Amino acid sequence: SQKIEQNSEALNIQEGKTATLTCNYTNYSPAYLQWYRQDPGRGPVFLLLIRENEKEKRKERLKVTFDTTLKQSLFHITASQPADSATYLCALDDSGTYKYIFGTGTRLKVLA
Amino acid sequence: GAGVSQSPSNKVTEKGKDVELRCDPISGHTALYWYRQSLGQGLEFLIYFQGNSAPDKSGLPSDRFSAERTGGSVSTLTIQRTQQEDSAVYLCASSPRLVGETQYFGPGTRLLVL
Repeated sequence: SQKIEQNSEALNIQEGKTATLTCNYTNYSPAYLQWYRQDPGRGPVFLLLIRENEKEKRKERLKVTFDTTLKQSLFHITASQPADSATYLCALDDSGTYKYIFGTGTRLKVLA
Repeated sequence: GAGVSQSPSNKVTEKGKDVELRCDPISGHTALYWYRQSLGQGLEFLIYFQGNSAPDKSGLPSDRFSAERTGGSVSTLTIQRTQQEDSAVYLCASSPRLVGETQYFGPGTRLLVL
């Protein structure tokens, strides 16, 4: 069956450390994978998009990797800050259908 | 510039009533998506529009759900004969085109069916 999985448990890290979040998928062949941030009571906000032929993408303190062999994406926040505390969602396109499939998200808490 | 807006922001209704949820996408965005998010859950894809056309309605949970889009702009999601399990946050997103683009989300409509 098709699945997209993120760590369901909250991730607590100390300010200044690097947070690493994982997104694994099964039985999809996405052309794109996206990461979003969602704060309580708000809609998701786009962070980064990575294509299947890209291994890594960076934007300021954010880095995303995409391994189509492992069927995994890693999302890194370096020099984390309390303001980075939020739920982070990964999403992939269900190729050929124009649907986007979202993971359940990982809640990140950065401790001051 | 204006982002995606949704109305109402909150809706409380009684079981069996019909509700209409509205989405105003970013001007010029041809793609529009509806999602549902239940408490503590991920986003469940419902339907997408390319212009005014919704080629695939298979994500709608039941035939009580319908959606339309007019003028390549405003979209309405209608739920008939609401049930308690319909309670969720309904999110709309728009995008310049269907594939490989950022989705810009609205704030959502929180629906509670009593």
